Amino acid sequence: DAKTTQPTSMDCAEGRAANLPCNHSTISGNEYVYWYRQIHSQGPQYIIHGLKNNETNEMASLIITEDRKSSTLILPHATLRDTAVYYCIVRPYTSGTYKYIFGTGTRLKVLA
Amino acid sequence: SAVISQKPSRDICQRGTSLTIQCQVDSQVTMMFWYRQQPGQSLTLIATANQGSEATYESGFVIDKFPISRPNLTFSTLTVSNMSPEDSSIYLCSVLTGGIETQYFGPGTRLLVL
Repeated sequence: DAKTTQPTSMDCAEGRAANLPCNHSTISGNEYVYWYRQIHSQGPQYIIHGLKNNETNEMASLIITEDRKSSTLILPHATLRDTAVYYCIVRPYTSGTYKYIFGTGTRLKVLA
Repeated sequence: SAVISQKPSRDICQRGTSLTIQCQVDSQVTMMFWYRQQPGQSLTLIATANQGSEATYESGFVIDKFPISRPNLTFSTLTVSNMSPEDSSIYLCSVLTGGIETQYFGPGTRLLVL
């Protein structure tokens, strides 16, 4: 079973920040949080990952709570092209344990 | 990241036949994986393709139904054998790059079995 829970769907106005939450209350100290998105049945696209600290790249920001039991992916200025299913995944960083277990994800719809 | 291609991109097949899907990467990678995504569902890991040895299958998937080959560090195939309509899915390969240990996914193969 997936170790994460996400809202089934969310809407966001174009140009506004999209904040996608993820609950991973059973996360272990050696597990990363990864975010991917899947646009219209294409292959999932890697967005960002983190362990303890907040992370930012050209696509998004990842905010991880201090207890690491939840995180939020932030798309700072959502566009129509950001409409996709967003998956939050936890994965051990120990070498040899690379398996991803996908949950149901959040279907984000960006509205014009 | 790695550039990953899959062939075919889509196919329509008859019940009882088999289809082989190819996954090609533009650089050597440490690990390759095969996933299935049934209509309206999330991704499910089928197996890890091991270079030079038998693939490692997840619970519910068997070698007779989904034989996998990985002859080198840039190429793998997945065969869907004796197909039925329930095999209609998107099949995706992914690769793990050694440095970052992040999986990158191919574009997928859309299979419809009639």
